[in-house]
Amino acid sequence: QVQLVQSGAEVKKPGASVKVSCKASGYTFTSYRISWVRQAPGQGLEWMGWISTYNGNTKYAQKLQGRVTMTTDTSTSTAYMELRSLRSDDTAVYYCARTRGDGTFGAWGQGTLVTVSS
Amino acid sequence: DIQMTQSPSSLSASVGDRVTITCQASQDISKDLNWYQQKPGKAPKLLIYIASNLETGVPSRFSGGGSGTDFTLTISSLQPEDIATYYCQQYNNLPYSFGQGTKLEIK
Repeated sequence: QVQLVQSGAEVKKPGASVKVSCKASGYTFTSYRISWVRQAPGQGLEWMGWISTYNGNTKYAQKLQGRVTMTTDTSTSTAYMELRSLRSDDTAVYYCARTRGDGTFGAWGQGTLVTVSS
Repeated sequence: DIQMTQSPSSLSASVGDRVTITCQASQDISKDLNWYQQKPGKAPKLLIYIASNLETGVPSRFSGGGSGTDFTLTISSLQPEDIATYYCQQYNNLPYSFGQGTKLEIK
């Protein structure tokens, strides 16, 4: 079955960087994009961007441009999301999601809590 | 950017009730709309895609409708396991965007 397994919780200081991983299994990794979606505590869902696992093309939400980088390692079917210059309002659960060509998030990772605190 | 507005923000209903949640887009998105269910502490789960198509494995008491700017998610007979927050999501234009969520509780 399709599974996306994310790395564990992180605690970071303001200004630091975090890199979250998402290991896919149960399907052909390069057949679907991977999106990243975050959810601040008690808040709604915010799309951060996607990466094509086929050719590495990316699309990022404008508000995160310059601070976020999404990459993949096709040899291990793993996607990564790095967020730099962390602020307290980056505290959130970060999800990876297998993304169909139209933008539908058909399968999700379990989420990774990133806490930014001094 | 396309804004998605859900109503109500929260809803209390009894087991067996018919429940309807609405989602309005700030511009015409055709049928480029999905619905997700999120239970506490869990990742969202896809329920409905392309406005009205039931994802495999989702109970048939869930249905979706609408096009253009106005959409609905209906649960025909509320079950205790349906307690969750529901989100709509548009994919007509980047950036993809979600409604603010509707929290469904049992009365």
